[in-house]
Amino acid sequence: DAGITQSPRHKVTETGTPVTLRCHQTENHRYMYWYRQDPGHGLRLIHYSYGVKDTDKGEVSDGYSVSRSKTEDFLLTLESATSSQTSVYFCAISTLGGEADTQYFGPGTRLTVL
Amino acid sequence: GENVEQHPSTLSVQEGDSAVIKCTYSDSASNYFPWYKQELGKGPQLIIDIRSNVGEKKDQRIAVTLNKTAKHFSLHITETQPEDSAVYFCAASSRGSNDYKLSFGAGTTVTVRA
Repeated sequence: DAGITQSPRHKVTETGTPVTLRCHQTENHRYMYWYRQDPGHGLRLIHYSYGVKDTDKGEVSDGYSVSRSKTEDFLLTLESATSSQTSVYFCAISTLGGEADTQYFGPGTRLTVL
Repeated sequence: GENVEQHPSTLSVQEGDSAVIKCTYSDSASNYFPWYKQELGKGPQLIIDIRSNVGEKKDQRIAVTLNKTAKHFSLHITETQPEDSAVYFCAASSRGSNDYKLSFGAGTTVTVRA
């Protein structure tokens, strides 16, 4: 699991409430990613980070924000959760070597928005 | 951006038979193609990858082939076993100025019948 933990692992919340998911890594990898997984869509990139305080949007970033104040932690925030954000969220880190990127995933957080 | 299509969406094979999953990609600049296996309730796990300067790669019972001209790549699992039952994802990577992004296929659910 490349030293990646996610918290919480499960969360049920109500529409309109703020939610923050945490990804923690122990190996000082520069790149970190947040994906969501939904049936029929595979994994879709929400946001990613290429260093402390350096973040950028992925393909499904609307309604999400991220922060990275230190190398080991990457936070995903839903400012006002909606039912369409019910999903399984995965954090990933990349190990850069040569010309390519290898990504390793955390165990996931299952979020239900009622 | 990159678009990855994966077929079939479900695959049922008899134990001992072979399984083949095919993916196509759209961005000719993509140069790295990993495959992930995801078991129920877990994060995706990298099982094999191939880079654009190689046409085929094998690791025990699994192999991946890449045809850059046709922009497609395939995963081959031989002598399938019950523990091969899982969801498999292909992905393609292209490099931007600050990032390495993966675009995923929608996944193939493989069931190995005993």
